[in-house]
Amino acid sequence: GEDVEQSLFLSVREGDSSVINCTYTDSSSTYLYWYKQEPGAGLQLLTYIFSNMDMKQDQRLTVLLNKKDKHLSLRIADTQTGDSAIYFCAEISTSNTGKLIFGQGTTLQVKP
Amino acid sequence: DTAVSQTPKYLVTQMGNDKSIKCEQNLGHDTMYWYKQDSKKFLKIMFSYNNKELIINETVPNRFSPKSPDKAHLNLHINSLELGDSAVYFCASSQDAATTGELFFGEGSRLTVL
Repeated sequence: GEDVEQSLFLSVREGDSSVINCTYTDSSSTYLYWYKQEPGAGLQLLTYIFSNMDMKQDQRLTVLLNKKDKHLSLRIADTQTGDSAIYFCAEISTSNTGKLIFGQGTTLQVKP
Repeated sequence: DTAVSQTPKYLVTQMGNDKSIKCEQNLGHDTMYWYKQDSKKFLKIMFSYNNKELIINETVPNRFSPKSPDKAHLNLHINSLELGDSAVYFCASSQDAATTGELFFGEGSRLTVL
């Protein structure tokens, strides 16, 4: 079945880079997504990558996609305390159009 | 202006009661969703409507009934509430059913069943 997995927790120091990893099972996914959830708020789309790309950069965010290994990562450069949040990786189910499957979320803690 | 708004934000109720959560989006989107987030932050889709028509209906108890009076509104009614229904319920919208990965979420409605 379709599954998206992430590690649950990551702690970094302010100014360091953060790398959040995700593995997925559906190799037919056309897009893969990263969402951010701040405490007490809804999810917010951060970025996404098309499956025929290896990398996408958007300011401090870099998304890397390894299709062979079904591995997606989100790198945040110069991590700030405001980056503390839960980060969700997601893919669209190809067996059920319109269904977005989320990972369990990675809680990023940024220490000053 | 809030793009996707849900009410109420907090809901505390007794087992067996019936309750509703309302959602409205002012983005002009065609597709709306209900997601459930449990205490471990796991997020799962429940329902999706496209232009008032149900297009996704996950395996949820039939005590949960969505209603979409128009494409800007999607409400969730829950009958005979159980302890396990306690969660945060998120409404979301997307431009259409094809852009289902690009979701705009509301702030969530935290339901606590005692």
